[in-house]
Amino acid sequence: DAGVTQSPTHLIKTRGQQVTLRCSPKSGHDTVSWYQQALGQGPQFIFQYYEEEERQRGNFPDRFSGHQFPNYSSELNVNALLLGDSALYLCASSFWGVGYTFGSGTRLTVV
Amino acid sequence: AQSVTQLGSHVSVSEGALVLLRCNYSSSVPPYLFWYVQYPNQGLQLLLKYTTGATLVKGINGFEAEFKKSETSFHLTKPSAHMSDAAEYFCAVSAYSGAGSYQLTFGKGTKLSVIP
Repeated sequence: DAGVTQSPTHLIKTRGQQVTLRCSPKSGHDTVSWYQQALGQGPQFIFQYYEEEERQRGNFPDRFSGHQFPNYSSELNVNALLLGDSALYLCASSFWGVGYTFGSGTRLTVV
Repeated sequence: AQSVTQLGSHVSVSEGALVLLRCNYSSSVPPYLFWYVQYPNQGLQLLLKYTTGATLVKGINGFEAEFKKSETSFHLTKPSAHMSDAAEYFCAVSAYSGAGSYQLTFGKGTKLSVIP
């Protein structure tokens, strides 16, 4: 049984560019949450998707947007990248808030 | 809204000594509580979780945690530290926020160093 799969594992982007990160949830999970983890910090909640809609959102600007597909997979899009967006982006899938499974993350470096 | 406070951003213990990592939470509704471990350049691995029932929860690698509602605490312990326990540990709380929605909120983490 595959867990949560994130792609790509690493990428480097230039300031001002746009990036799309992808996440496939664990089988049986219908909710996907995205987190940003800056170096030396705890993960910060970006937003959560359920039934293809954004259900909750953390304190992140509109440059951060997402999407969930009918198969529950999800994308995180970040526009107009800033140096401060450099971080590890984690995807977690869950079912009813009890069993969160995390992917290995995507390491984004903005130069 | 919920929040998590981890006391001590860095804890050092000798190999074989007791590990105690502290976590206090704030939640207006009954929470689910979690401890995760993160090794360098890796994602988060679940150590243990409290949902309902027994307040002393046993996890992987010999770790356990006790939910104390009166103290709003969920401290993580291990009787004897091993070199392989050196990592960053995150306490997290998940609480129901309405309309079938839960949100998982993390503390800032505690980096555990094990001294040979």
